[in-house]
Amino acid sequence: DTEVTQTPKHLVMGMTNKKSLKCEQHMGHRAMYWYKQKAKKPPELMFVYSYEKLSINESVPSRFSPECPNSSLLNLHLHALQPEDSALYLCASSQGPRDDEQFFGPGTRLTVL
Amino acid sequence: LAKTTQPISMDSYEGQEVNITCSHNNIATNDYITWYQQFPSQGPRFIIQGYKTKVTNEVASLFIPADRKSSTLSLPRVSLSDTAVYYCLVGDGSNDYKLSFGAGTTVTVRA
Repeated sequence: DTEVTQTPKHLVMGMTNKKSLKCEQHMGHRAMYWYKQKAKKPPELMFVYSYEKLSINESVPSRFSPECPNSSLLNLHLHALQPEDSALYLCASSQGPRDDEQFFGPGTRLTVL
Repeated sequence: LAKTTQPISMDSYEGQEVNITCSHNNIATNDYITWYQQFPSQGPRFIIQGYKTKVTNEVASLFIPADRKSSTLSLPRVSLSDTAVYYCLVGDGSNDYKLSFGAGTTVTVRA
């Protein structure tokens, strides 16, 4: 199984809502990533978990809160988002460091009203 | 920090070979060069990776000169389904887990 799954596929939320994005992989990968992608732009790295510990936080606003409950799961908790946070949120996983192939999920299309 | 520069877009026709060159003048000694492909509303997909000289797999070839300051992705005999954005990546800084995507090249294949 070389698939990374993400739920939900689409999410619409108001600025006062709290929601969560979920990512799952069963490839035994030890690194998991969250990226944000705006339209016609490249993915931007947000967070990296390595062996279930937060390894990188790219100065992401605290309204985005990542969580790695176990080696297969990655969550992104959202609270008090702004309309400019609307984007495609991509999850990825890799066996090891950056030179290892990253497997991406299909993304969650987030719209903040 | 290593940074990549690629053409914004390229047009081609079915059956032709497409070559995309990426500049990475500040690549670190231990960095690999990796290319990903992305279709609209999908996550990127790994195509090929190399360190030096030439690498070939079933979908592409990657040519890297000795100075490693650039690389060229070669897509042989493209089809309409190869229309996508192609990203060239190298490591970003000393953190082992950090990759930076370049701006990407939009390749459009026409019939």
